[in-house]
Amino acid sequence: AQSVTQPDIHITVSEGASLELRCNYSYGATPYLFWYVQSPGQGLQLLLKYFSGDTLVQGIKGFEAEFKRSQSSFNLRKPSVHWSDAAEYFCAGGNDYKLSFGAGTTVTVRA
Amino acid sequence: SQTIHQWPATLVQPVGSPLSLECTVEGTSNPNLYWYRQAAGRGLQLLFYSVGIGQISSEVPQNLSASRPQDRQFILSSKKLLLSDSGFYLCAWSIQGFNEQYFGPGTRLTVT
Repeated sequence: AQSVTQPDIHITVSEGASLELRCNYSYGATPYLFWYVQSPGQGLQLLLKYFSGDTLVQGIKGFEAEFKRSQSSFNLRKPSVHWSDAAEYFCAGGNDYKLSFGAGTTVTVRA
Repeated sequence: SQTIHQWPATLVQPVGSPLSLECTVEGTSNPNLYWYRQAAGRGLQLLFYSVGIGQISSEVPQNLSASRPQDRQFILSSKKLLLSDSGFYLCAWSIQGFNEQYFGPGTRLTVT
């Protein structure tokens, strides 16, 4: 079955430290891949997307993600985390007009 | 630019009561529309999607139904709510032929 998996349920990181969130996909062909962020009680905001081409994609808020076909991964990174990055992050993928979402990773930022 | 609205923002309803949540999109035509539910501490579950007026596809058999009476309006309904219907309901839209989805602010539903 086509799916997206986020292995980490919760990550705690110090402010100013780097952050990496993992995402693995299982699709017959390379899917379109996305990262979304959700603040408490809010909708989801699109951070970045990968369709094809350059495997390192830049997004908003200083985030980037790298597509690795050999590892079926699309990990999200940020070099230096700010307190405002505390939120839940969702990886999503799809080949048609429907998306499959991972279970999400909650990021806590400590001072 | 495109905007998506959902209302109400929060709702508390007793078990057995009806439900109607509305979603509208501005600034685009003939979008794909989606309803998701997000239970506490869990990911997103796709409930319904629509590729055009009157065209509804259900992903999960349940107590809910959806309708699309106008091009940019998507309604989620129930005749009798269950406790298990509590959750955060999100509407989203995408351009026809593209995966990229944009989400509304959500409706927090509590069934008591």
